[in-house]
Amino acid sequence: DTGVSQDPRHKITKRGQNVTFRCDPISEHNRLYWYRQTLGQGPEFLTYFQNEAQLEKSRLLSDRFSAERPKGSFSTLEIQRTEQGDSAMYLCASSPAEREIYEQYFGPGTRLTVT
Amino acid sequence: AQKVTQAQTEISVVEKEDVTLDCVYETRDTTYYLFWYKQPPSGELVFLIRRNSFDEQNEISGRYSWNFQKSTSSFNFTITASQVVDSAVYFCALTLYSSASKIIFGSGTRLSIRP
Repeated sequence: DTGVSQDPRHKITKRGQNVTFRCDPISEHNRLYWYRQTLGQGPEFLTYFQNEAQLEKSRLLSDRFSAERPKGSFSTLEIQRTEQGDSAMYLCASSPAEREIYEQYFGPGTRLTVT
Repeated sequence: AQKVTQAQTEISVVEKEDVTLDCVYETRDTTYYLFWYKQPPSGELVFLIRRNSFDEQNEISGRYSWNFQKSTSSFNFTITASQVVDSAVYFCALTLYSSASKIIFGSGTRLSIRP
């Protein structure tokens, strides 16, 4: 039974470039979440999916950010025209849609550095 | 609005000492869940405990114990006989029954256990 996986683990990019991260949730988990964590802070909610439907987006998710979960399995988070302020750890989590929906299992994160 | 406050930014103790991590939360909802997560240097968030707002019974799990007091809106975490492996950042967090989508995290307490 594998946990949540994220790829890549680290990404260094130049300002203005586009980046895409991938998250593979625990199999059979209907819900998938994205969070952003900056240095010295707790994770902040960005968005979540139930199956392929994106049901909530935070105000933190500017127009440069887009997330998809096309087949209700893995998800991608794309950042266009990256800025230095986008440097952070991007965490993905998943949870089942039934009894334990309040228990989110987190992946190892993708650390983004924008130079 | 919901908020979680962890006033202790960093704590350092000598191994085998007991240590308590404080957490104060704010919400007007009467039904909610509280959590503690551990984030070791590897970066992956590890779930420790979930408590619902109707259950104020304290809980003990090995060297870990949690004290939930609705009267003071606190959910404190105590590690007894600390060990070097307990060194990590610990996050207290909150989610509402009405919104099973996002977890609101505190800013974390960095715990260092010195040998």
